[in-house]
Amino acid sequence: EIVLTQSPATLSLSPGERATLSCRASQSIYNYLAWYQQKPGQAPRLLLYDASNRATGIPARFSGSGSGTAFTLTISNLEPEDFGIYYCQQRSSRPLTFGGGTKVEIK
Amino acid sequence: QVQLVESGGGVVQPGKSLRLSCAASGFTFSNYGMHWVRQAPGKGLEWMAVIAYDGGNKYYTDSVQGRFTISRDNSNSTLFLQMNSLRPEDTAVYYCAKSHSTTWYGLDYFDLWGQGSLVTVSS
Repeated sequence: EIVLTQSPATLSLSPGERATLSCRASQSIYNYLAWYQQKPGQAPRLLLYDASNRATGIPARFSGSGSGTAFTLTISNLEPEDFGIYYCQQRSSRPLTFGGGTKVEIK
Repeated sequence: QVQLVESGGGVVQPGKSLRLSCAASGFTFSNYGMHWVRQAPGKGLEWMAVIAYDGGNKYYTDSVQGRFTISRDNSNSTLFLQMNSLRPEDTAVYYCAKSHSTTWYGLDYFDLWGQGSLVTVSS
């Protein structure tokens, strides 16, 4: 099973700042990585797939990079609605796995 | 309207069974693999199972293999999860989710999620 490790666990930032979230895989997953946003009481929402492709309707302030075992989600110019928990997920092999999440909170 | 709507959750005793349903609308259900993903209270996301667009292939995570069965009815655009021999550690919100791609690998991302159905396993 591929283990995804996200860091930091919590990120405290103010609106307008840049958020940088990390996801590391226990083995190479090529670029088969997605990022999701989840807000309290809601289902996750797909943000990015194949490491850097924005899903439909996702604003350009969300960007992704990386390949192999190290990936980054960057949210430039944080908006109030961007606060929540972010998960990465790999589709390189079964079982499909998620990282433990990074909580982006208002400072 | 493109959506997934789960139903069938509730409180069940350990060892008992429960069946979840997920009604799809707004897209061609029979073109996509479908998944179940769960989230224990206050915890992260855990992928459970996937079924191919035609029901011909199914894969499960080890913790539910042999206890849970995923199935689908393409004529009614509905996905199911039959859960048997339930354990307290199965307590979670269960989400159905649509595969991002029509290409079947059994390996995919999830671009549409239901609202979730809470299953509580307790005596």
